[in-house]
Amino acid sequence: EVQLVESGGGSVQPGGSLRLSCSASGFTFSSYAMHWVRQAPGKGLEYVSAISNNGGTTYFADSVKARFTISRDNSKNTLYLQMSSLRAEDTAVYYCVKSPAAILLLYYFDYWGQGTLVTVSS
Amino acid sequence: DIQMTQSPSSLSASVGDRVTITCRASQSISSYLNWYQQKPGKAPKLLIYAASSLQNGVPSRFSGSGSGTDFTLTISTLQPADFATYYCQQSFTFPLTFGGGTKVEIK
Repeated sequence: EVQLVESGGGSVQPGGSLRLSCSASGFTFSSYAMHWVRQAPGKGLEYVSAISNNGGTTYFADSVKARFTISRDNSKNTLYLQMSSLRAEDTAVYYCVKSPAAILLLYYFDYWGQGTLVTVSS
Repeated sequence: DIQMTQSPSSLSASVGDRVTITCRASQSISSYLNWYQQKPGKAPKLLIYAASSLQNGVPSRFSGSGSGTDFTLTISTLQPADFATYYCQQSFTFPLTFGGGTKVEIK
């Protein structure tokens, strides 16, 4: 059974940093691209970032570019999202999401984690 | 960026009704269109991928159609478990974008 379990969320002041982790199991983690999608309270879904199966290719939405980095450790079956210079508008539930392919585009999201809440507030 | 416009943003329907939700892309995305269902407090769940392919385990009352810029999600006979918010998403090009959602409520 595919499982994606996020951790690392919490409350942080504006300008602060936070690192999210996503522990994956039930599939060959190193074979698939992984993504982060967020959802502000009461709002819709917003795409954040992606990383190819081997970590060689990444993508960031303009809203987080230069502030967030994505990485993965295939030996630990873990995906990361390092967030810095956090703003109030980054407040959201962050979902770790799996793609059914190694590449970043053209495919859908077949499995989602339960999400972890990040709150940016003074 | 490709804008995804869903309509309606909400609807009220009764169990047994046929429900149709539309999604329009601001430019052609071929068939790279996916549909997700989200219930309150839960993660989204994939229903339909590549415009018309039913994800494993999803009831056959869900179907998708369309290509290019205009797409439709249809629930043939609405069930109590189907009251949720539905999102379309294009996977054709970055940034990947979602529609604003359609909330299906009980009449």
